[in-house]
Amino acid sequence: DTGVSQDPRHKITKRGQNVTFRCDPISEHNRLYWYRQTLGQGPEFLTYFQNEAQLEKSRLLSDRFSAERPKGSFSTLEIQRTEQGDSAMYLCASSLVTPSTDGYTFGSGTRLTVV
Amino acid sequence: GESVGLHLPTLSVQEGDNSIINCAYSNSASDYFIWYKQESGKGPQFIIDIRSNMDKRQGQRVTVLLNKTVKHLSLQIAATQPGDSAVYFCAENTGANSKLTFGKGITLSVRP
Repeated sequence: DTGVSQDPRHKITKRGQNVTFRCDPISEHNRLYWYRQTLGQGPEFLTYFQNEAQLEKSRLLSDRFSAERPKGSFSTLEIQRTEQGDSAMYLCASSLVTPSTDGYTFGSGTRLTVV
Repeated sequence: GESVGLHLPTLSVQEGDNSIINCAYSNSASDYFIWYKQESGKGPQFIIDIRSNMDKRQGQRVTVLLNKTVKHLSLQIAATQPGDSAVYFCAENTGANSKLTFGKGITLSVRP
């Protein structure tokens, strides 16, 4: 296992289109998180799953955003009717239920550009 | 070495000097803290963490200090190298939900 994988690395889309990102966490990690990061800022929490259950969603996660983790392994984040303000780096992370040393690991992110 | 709070965007140090990056966290209930390094175009990379029952933790060339009384966290990098140039974030975690709250980050620039 080489860590948290995200696909694609980059996505350019036209305003109004739908996009979907995928995250493959570290296999033994129960928890999977989605964060959004804009230029010059720290990552902001969007939502997280414990196994297949989505346990918390940030107010940042508007109705156009939906995340799934159907089998408790990989997760997808879909943005419908994209807007220019959605342009950001979307980061996925995974951890054990109680994060311990080295236990909260981020992927390299998907950079979304909405034109 | 030099120290600077996270309200300043850039810390510039000479190669070989020690660096100190400071962070003030907001939630007195936070019980787990992590320092991340982020290079351009990459995700945050774990550096070192500390739990609230500790004051100090050392890694390879890095030390994290936690002062719960004043809600202050610092990252010390010994013998700073060009490869240490990156943006550094502190992050705090509270309780069972495990989501992290990040500070704004500071850019460390190492002069050769």
